[in-house]
Amino acid sequence: AQSVTQPDIHITVSEGASLELRCNYSYGATPYLFWYVQSPGQGLQLLLKYFSGDTLVQGIKGFEAEFKRSQSSFNLRKPSVHWSDAAEYFCAVGAASGGSYIPTFGRGTSLIVHP
Amino acid sequence: DTGVSQDPRHKITKRGQNVTFRCDPISEHNRLYWYRQTLGQGPEFLTYFQNEAQLEKSRLLSDRFSAERPKGSFSTLEIQRTEQGDSAMYLCASRNDRVNDGYTFGSGTRLTVV
Repeated sequence: AQSVTQPDIHITVSEGASLELRCNYSYGATPYLFWYVQSPGQGLQLLLKYFSGDTLVQGIKGFEAEFKRSQSSFNLRKPSVHWSDAAEYFCAVGAASGGSYIPTFGRGTSLIVHP
Repeated sequence: DTGVSQDPRHKITKRGQNVTFRCDPISEHNRLYWYRQTLGQGPEFLTYFQNEAQLEKSRLLSDRFSAERPKGSFSTLEIQRTEQGDSAMYLCASRNDRVNDGYTFGSGTRLTVV
């Protein structure tokens, strides 16, 4: 069974600073990988996804993530954080099986942005 | 299309009562998923449908929980004899499995059992 670890419960950055949120997964084969963002009281919005191909994935809102098979990681990055990026971020892994998968989510990382 | 809709947004109920939530997926999405999210945790998978067929259920889905998708469009999730431990956000998501894409989530139903 697949699993996801997000080692940081909270991350605090200053507005304009760079950001990296860590995600490590456990799965025996090539996984499908996702990052979602959740604002308070809201559902989850897909930021980006990796299915195959280029290991550097571009997403919405200026986010990117890099799949590193050797490290079983899929870290999320943004070069310059805006106050509106403050939210909960979830990494998810799905077992790839003919286009069908059920993602397993990490517990999330709460991003706090200081002005 | 306005995305995945969930109703109600909030529900407060007394312990022991039954509650029912509704999810309207994106119209061309044939797969529909239910997740539960408790405070400080990520979403946990409950069950999913392909069209009207319920294909998988998590061990989290006790006998008090039942889900339906009778016409392959909207879905309902019913919890019978609610317990305080059922308090959570219930999220619905949908996708089209003919397109290699991520899930689209609704805004969720926040259940509070008092």
